[in-house]
Amino acid sequence: KAGVTQTPRYLIKTRGQQVTLSCSPISGHRSVSWYQQTPGQGLQFLFEYFSETQRNKGNFPGRFSGRQFSNSRSEMNVSTLELGDSALYLCASSQAGLDQETQYFGPGTRLLVL
Amino acid sequence: AQSVTQLGSHVSVSEGALVLLRCNYSSSVPPYLFWYVQYPNQGLQLLLKYTSAATLVKGINGFEAEFKKSETSFHLTKPSAHMSDAAEYFCAVSYSGNTPLVFGKGTRLSVIA
Repeated sequence: KAGVTQTPRYLIKTRGQQVTLSCSPISGHRSVSWYQQTPGQGLQFLFEYFSETQRNKGNFPGRFSGRQFSNSRSEMNVSTLELGDSALYLCASSQAGLDQETQYFGPGTRLLVL
Repeated sequence: AQSVTQLGSHVSVSEGALVLLRCNYSSSVPPYLFWYVQYPNQGLQLLLKYTSAATLVKGINGFEAEFKKSETSFHLTKPSAHMSDAAEYFCAVSYSGNTPLVFGKGTRLSVIA
């Protein structure tokens, strides 16, 4: 089975712009979670989608949003980018998003905001 | 709030030496515990997980971890370090009820030849 794929792998944007990141989960996985990784804050949970519904949300401002499509692919959007949004954004998928399930991570999208 | 503490942001060991990476969680209910590894410019890969089946959990690449409820710990060990083990290691916890993973800050492991 193919692993979790994320596109693009690298992005450079300027402050005030918006960005959309894409994640394709492992085939058959219906839960997709997004995390932000920075040197200062570590790995922080953004949100989780299951069957096209946002099921969990982390403590991030409303500029961060996401969605999931019927094929389980997910996108996250960040509007009005700030310098502090520079980070590695990781997507993870699991079959049903249950607590004991393994989450499989993609390689991430590295976003640099100038 | 649920939290995970990894003692030591950077651990350095000699090749062939014991690897010990520490993880403590805060919880009054049984958690699910995970160790992930991240190599440079890559995502996270699961090393092992504890889901209450056995307190000593064996993972990939010779790693294992022991769940100690009395100490709220889940330390990761490997008897003999290899150069290829150099990476960042993350301990994570989740609880029943579809709660998301909570990660520790990570420990960077360096292996010296």
